[in-house]
Amino acid sequence: QVQLQESGPGLVKPSETLSLTCSVSGASITSYYWHWIRQPPGKGLEWIGYFYHSGNTKYNPSLKSRITISVDTSNNQFSLKLSSMTAADTAVYYCVRGSGTHYFDYWGQGTQVTVSS
Amino acid sequence: QSALTQPASVSGSPGQSITISCTGISSDVDSYSLVSWYQQHPGKAPKLMLYEVIKRPSGVSSRFSGSESGNTASLTISGLQAEDEAGYYCCSYARSGTLEFGGGTKVTVL
Repeated sequence: QVQLQESGPGLVKPSETLSLTCSVSGASITSYYWHWIRQPPGKGLEWIGYFYHSGNTKYNPSLKSRITISVDTSNNQFSLKLSSMTAADTAVYYCVRGSGTHYFDYWGQGTQVTVSS
Repeated sequence: QSALTQPASVSGSPGQSITISCTGISSDVDSYSLVSWYQQHPGKAPKLMLYEVIKRPSGVSSRFSGSESGNTASLTISGLQAEDEAGYYCCSYARSGTLEFGGGTKVTVL
């Protein structure tokens, strides 16, 4: 059974960098595509980007300059760093597995991140 | 603002069929047919309902079906049930290798 669990701070100050980690069980991080997706309160889903174990990454162009997604194969985890946080980045952040580049088959429960001083 | 357009809301009575459209994906759908659909109940993570326009993952009811025509992909729910009341999102894979979601559609069962 594939399970994903996000972890990280629930509160981030403006201008700081958000760091989130996703722990994966039931699937190898060296296979599949590993995505981050977010959802601002009361709004729709926004794709952030993905990492593939070969080192291939793809990011949302609107966020590209602020994003880093990386993988820790020894711990079967992957991470998101999002710099220069503002109130507009307040959202529930999901870590997600992609069986291909184009759809998402397993989701974490999501973690709320609030940007506030 | 999403490049993929969905109706904000769709409603139907139990047993009826409803269709949710997802437009604005001409360069993506016509070329790749890589559209997926997700169901999201309040406070829950989204769930994959369809991928590659028409394919259903194991465990998803056959009441959910997909189609595409021109620059529009559609999700149809047949035999509407109370449990189908949720938000629904389309997602398309673009030539650039990025992905984009539609704005979402709230389905109400009357």
